[in-house]
Amino acid sequence: AQSVTQLGSHVSVSEGALVLLRCNYSSSVPPYLFWYVQYPNQGLQLLLKYTTGATLVKGINGFEAEFKKSETSFHLTKPSAHMSDAAEYFCAVRTGANSKLTFGKGITLSVRP
Amino acid sequence: NAGVTQTPKFQVLKTGQSMTLQCAQDMNHEYMSWYRQDPGMGLRLIHYSVGAGITDQGEVPNGYNVSRSTTEDFPLRLLSAAPSQTSVYFCASSTGGRAAETQYFGPGTRLLVL
Repeated sequence: AQSVTQLGSHVSVSEGALVLLRCNYSSSVPPYLFWYVQYPNQGLQLLLKYTTGATLVKGINGFEAEFKKSETSFHLTKPSAHMSDAAEYFCAVRTGANSKLTFGKGITLSVRP
Repeated sequence: NAGVTQTPKFQVLKTGQSMTLQCAQDMNHEYMSWYRQDPGMGLRLIHYSVGAGITDQGEVPNGYNVSRSTTEDFPLRLLSAAPSQTSVYFCASSTGGRAAETQYFGPGTRLLVL
């Protein structure tokens, strides 16, 4: 079985501050990990994904995430928050072909001027 | 490419009514799926399809039917709507079912069941 835990439901940062959104996963086999972003009243858009190889993954809009097997984590970071980053962020895990994509509950990011 | 399209954008139903949520993609993707999004619960998989003529149940299939007669279309049918089906529904597609595949999401359908 696979699962994703995103602690907390809301994170608020000041514009220009570091963004850190936490994601921990549970999987009995090597996971494939994803971060999706959902802007208000829109569908989900892929930010980045980890499949194999390099554990530091760079995505769109300056976001990156690091896969840490020992910590079963895939935290999302961005050095400097922008107002346009305000959205809901979902971490997701998948383990094998035709396996379902399991989502975390999501974290809402607010950015203060 | 229009990507993944969904209609309608918003729908209000009365309990017991039936309806079909439409989903279409123009990327020739084999894999399509339906999710529902509820506050504080993330997205949960309802049904999915690995190709035309092949469908399977996801995590929360009860009360929903699907069919896949063409590669492009994957409609979701609510047989007898219940207030518990009030949600935002997303359709997604990907090239195939491999674990590394990126899923592309439609804009969603907001459903309110009274």
